[in-house]
Amino acid sequence: DAGVIQSPRHEVTEMGQEVTLRCKPISGHDYLFWYRQTMMRGLELLIYFNNNVPIDDSGMPEDRFSAKMPNASFSTLKIQPSEPRDSAVYFCASSRHGKEQETQYFGPGTRLLVL
Amino acid sequence: QKEVEQNSGPLSVPEGAIASLNCTYSDRVSQSFFWYRQYSGKSPELIMSIYSNGDKEDGRFTAQLNKASQYVSLLIRDSQPSDSATYLCAVRGRGSTLGRLYFGRGTQLTVWP
Repeated sequence: DAGVIQSPRHEVTEMGQEVTLRCKPISGHDYLFWYRQTMMRGLELLIYFNNNVPIDDSGMPEDRFSAKMPNASFSTLKIQPSEPRDSAVYFCASSRHGKEQETQYFGPGTRLLVL
Repeated sequence: QKEVEQNSGPLSVPEGAIASLNCTYSDRVSQSFFWYRQYSGKSPELIMSIYSNGDKEDGRFTAQLNKASQYVSLLIRDSQPSDSATYLCAVRGRGSTLGRLYFGRGTQLTVWP
């Protein structure tokens, strides 16, 4: 299995620019999660989907952040406009069925630096 | 809002010692618990899961769960420098939040030769 795939792996952009992060979950997984990790705040859940439907987006910090999942094999997290405080590592994770004993599998992450 | 607290660390132990990582959680009805390891610059990876009270052993790793005390721990026996990483405790949600995990801030472990 290829695991969770994220792109790009690294992104450097200037303040005010639009940033789009991409994720392909593990085939057969019906949950998809977007996390942000910083030294100050640790691992934060931004939003998660079940069967392509957003379930909880309460972790999305501002209206500048948006996420979509148009189909079972693809999701995007967009930041527009980006700000320096958005600099972090963004992880996508997926899991199957949301059962008690099912865990999440993380992608390699996208390291975002906003100048 | 479920809370998951971990001993903040950092924790430093000599090679060959036992490393003990602790985690408490706020939701008394939580049923599933996970330990993830995260090497610097890498993504979290699952190393242990536990669902029943007591101990669960996997090689050098032992997870311990005490639901009455709302406490879960991870013991690493014969610690190796390759165990140096941040360890994240995670608790599964219940009911409408069954699909998600709640993570602690992590404990950084250093094993020195």
